[in-house]
Amino acid sequence: NAGVTQTPKFQVLKTGQSMTLQCAQDMNHEYMSWYRQDPGMGLRLIHYSVGAGITDQGEVPNGYNVSRSTTEDFPLRLLSAAPSQTSVYFCASSYSPGGRGMITQYFGPGTRLTVL
Amino acid sequence: GEDVEQSLFLSVREGDSSVINCTYTDSSSTYLYWYKQEPGAGLQLLTYIFSNMDMKQDQRLTVLLNKKDKHLSLRIADTQTGDSAIYFCAESPWFSGGYNKLIFGAGTRLAVHP
Repeated sequence: NAGVTQTPKFQVLKTGQSMTLQCAQDMNHEYMSWYRQDPGMGLRLIHYSVGAGITDQGEVPNGYNVSRSTTEDFPLRLLSAAPSQTSVYFCASSYSPGGRGMITQYFGPGTRLTVL
Repeated sequence: GEDVEQSLFLSVREGDSSVINCTYTDSSSTYLYWYKQEPGAGLQLLTYIFSNMDMKQDQRLTVLLNKKDKHLSLRIADTQTGDSAIYFCAESPWFSGGYNKLIFGAGTRLAVHP
């Protein structure tokens, strides 16, 4: 099992450029999420998905799009990059029995994005 | 509202105990979690506690939960240099929308010095 993989590891963009951060998991997890990590602010949820074809917004969705055409893949698209999107991006997948069940989130290694 | 707070930095001497504290706001959280992030890596689940427990011990780790004060702590006994990392507290508020999201604190950077 590779777990959760993310590409690229590092990326530098110019303001206004678009790009897609890739995320894949091989654990057949229903749930997948994208977070951004900024100093002193912890992890903030951008978008999440509860299954193929189903996505929803998290805490900080503006400027980002997602889709979930397969269980395995959950790409994050930056539509028009801005310096405020400079951050480290983490993808995570999880399985939860629902209700008040225990959640174990498995995180990818992260993508460090700089927008100039 | 949902909020998880932790101090940002802790420095300890090798061999001493470390105590990382966290406060959370949502009393509906059934489980509370500690995640560890090593440099350049993603987060890994370190331990968790069920909300009806006061304490959980796992080798060098002890988690204490005070539900009345909504206070969670992680104690690492005999702290080693390999324990240097960022530690995140997280809660999972009850959410009936089918996705129980995790709310993370800002993380406590633990520095272990000789």
